[in-house]
Amino acid sequence: KAGVTQTPRYLIKTRGQQVTLSCSPISGHRSVSWYQQTPGQGLQFLFEYFSETQRNKGNFPGRFSGRQFSNSRSEMNVSTLELGDSALYLCASSFSGFGNTIYFGEGSWLTVV
Amino acid sequence: DQQVKQNSPSLSVQEGRISILNCDYTNSMFDYFLWYKKYPAEGPTFLISISSIKDKNEDGRFTVFLNKSAKHLSLHIVPSQPGDSAVYFCAASAKDGTASKLTFGTGTRLQVTL
Repeated sequence: KAGVTQTPRYLIKTRGQQVTLSCSPISGHRSVSWYQQTPGQGLQFLFEYFSETQRNKGNFPGRFSGRQFSNSRSEMNVSTLELGDSALYLCASSFSGFGNTIYFGEGSWLTVV
Repeated sequence: DQQVKQNSPSLSVQEGRISILNCDYTNSMFDYFLWYKKYPAEGPTFLISISSIKDKNEDGRFTVFLNKSAKHLSLHIVPSQPGDSAVYFCAASAKDGTASKLTFGTGTRLQVTL
């Protein structure tokens, strides 16, 4: 069965621009969450969606937003990009998000210049 | 406030020997723990998990031990193989409304030498 798929894998953006990242979860998984990995802060939780509703949110500014579609696919958006937003953005999916194994995609590498 | 801690940033083990990676947590609401293996520029790969109702879980060469009173868990890899060289992350989720959120440790880089 196909794993979590993220697109694009690599992208370069300029400060002030916005970016949209896409994630297709494992078939049958309804919970999709997003994480940011940076060398200084490690892996940090951004938000989680279940049945098109944001169920949990991490401590990130409002420039970071997301949504989930009826087919469980998800997108995250970062507006007004800052240099510090350069990171590996990871999408993860699980069946329900509670006590289930959470599987990660390969990630989207964002570089802000 | 680092709720999940991996105090050893790196570990070097000879091929064939046992690798023991440790993780400590502070949040008593954590009740589900996972270990992930990660290569650079790739997503974490799930290895093994354990629920707080257990104190041990085995899957092939990987065994996770949970000591709830000490708020400590460990991952044992036996025997260690060169392909095990990677960064290992411990992660935890809570039984409250944030159960879908994983809190990660800072990782331990394991190097398995020949």
